[in-house]
Amino acid sequence: DQQVKQNSPSLSVQEGRISILNCDYTNSMFDYFLWYKKYPAEGPTFLISISSIKDKNEDGRFTVFLNKSAKHLSLHIVPSQPGDSAVYFCAATAQGAQKLVFGQGTRLTINP
Amino acid sequence: KAGVTQTPRYLIKTRGQQVTLSCSPISGHRSVSWYQQTPGQGLQFLFEYFSETQRNKGNFPGRFSGRQFSNSRSEMNVSTLELGDSALYLCASSTGGYYGYTFGSGTRLTVV
Repeated sequence: DQQVKQNSPSLSVQEGRISILNCDYTNSMFDYFLWYKKYPAEGPTFLISISSIKDKNEDGRFTVFLNKSAKHLSLHIVPSQPGDSAVYFCAATAQGAQKLVFGQGTRLTINP
Repeated sequence: KAGVTQTPRYLIKTRGQQVTLSCSPISGHRSVSWYQQTPGQGLQFLFEYFSETQRNKGNFPGRFSGRQFSNSRSEMNVSTLELGDSALYLCASSTGGYYGYTFGSGTRLTVV
């Protein structure tokens, strides 16, 4: 039962353009969402998060949008840079759960 | 400050053998969580320890076990290895929840 889904295994974007990564979830108890970035041979690193009481959170080039009614969140990267090429995971958790539920990941490739 | 250290980085084992992986958290972090990453499955939660107590466990067979020591270092053990156990095993530490979750670089286990 995949509670968090990233339906696009890969995404290719031109340098300087916007990258949009999508994530859907099914568990309405989830109240906190996170995005992680992973390079090969390294562990995931935290990128940005959002609480369910908000619908948008920005940090520099990264913005996460949350649509609770659609159970959907997205990560926008503007402008995209070559160093953004990595696998991106979205994750969700609920109050007191002490664990994160991850999506399958989306491999983002930024082309020069 | 030193990050999360996982040893060994790479491991090759034969079916039926057992294996022990080690994780040293960031100094001061009392929570250690373990995840299994396989292609197409994202990161699957194994278990979480806090102050030597297992607080949460994922849906893995009993062959997967773990423990945490008084210095917060954690080990996970997999007995009677199967080919399907080949994966990247990641541990993450935090002060007590998913805030400030920091991942190690992982142990790549190959079962032949």
